[in-house]
Amino acid sequence: AQTVTQSQPEMSVQEAETVTLSCTYDTSESNYYLFWYKQPPSRQMILVIRQEAYKQQNATENRFSVNFQKAAKSFSLKISDSQLGDTAMYFCAFMNGYGGSQGNLIFGKGTKLSVKP
Amino acid sequence: KAGVTQTPRYLIKTRGQQVTLSCSPISGHRSVSWYQQTPGQGLQFLFEYFSETQRNKGNFPGRFSGRQFSNSRSEMNVSTLELGDSALYLCASSLSGTLIMNTEAFFGQGTRLTVV
Repeated sequence: AQTVTQSQPEMSVQEAETVTLSCTYDTSESNYYLFWYKQPPSRQMILVIRQEAYKQQNATENRFSVNFQKAAKSFSLKISDSQLGDTAMYFCAFMNGYGGSQGNLIFGKGTKLSVKP
Repeated sequence: KAGVTQTPRYLIKTRGQQVTLSCSPISGHRSVSWYQQTPGQGLQFLFEYFSETQRNKGNFPGRFSGRQFSNSRSEMNVSTLELGDSALYLCASSLSGTLIMNTEAFFGQGTRLTVV
């Protein structure tokens, strides 16, 4: 069974600084997808960034980037120029790429990020 | 474009009762997934529906069931409620549920269920 581990329950960062959230996963599959989701206090889950396992290039979305190390099964999220609006729970998630796993996201326990002014 | 709508937002039920939660996906989305979120267990996958058929199911007891209608709206039902069913229930919709570059899962704001 696939598992996702986020080892940092809470983190804090000063506004405008950079922070990295860690995520490791375990799978025997070769085709899969990885995601970072953000859940602000309002509760609505928002997709931050995604990575296809077959792609060697790390995904980036504006201030958000990932460091995908497939051999190490590591998928960390880097937030540059942190903003107060980045304060939220961040979830790392995994989905198998084969048919029959649609809609089944496996989430880590989350990291609570606080951005301080 | 309206987002994913879940109703009701809050619900209080008594042990032993049953409850039905509703999820209206984004227009045009045919896949709806349900998740249970608790402080202890985190986010856990319940099931996924596509074109009125359950395609995928998580490890939850049979008290948890769902269905999807022809307009893609989905309902989740929990029978014989237990205190441990208290949770935030999230639904997510996507175009097809299969991952292609321009498809992602959009989540609703959730239904907070409290069982007393």
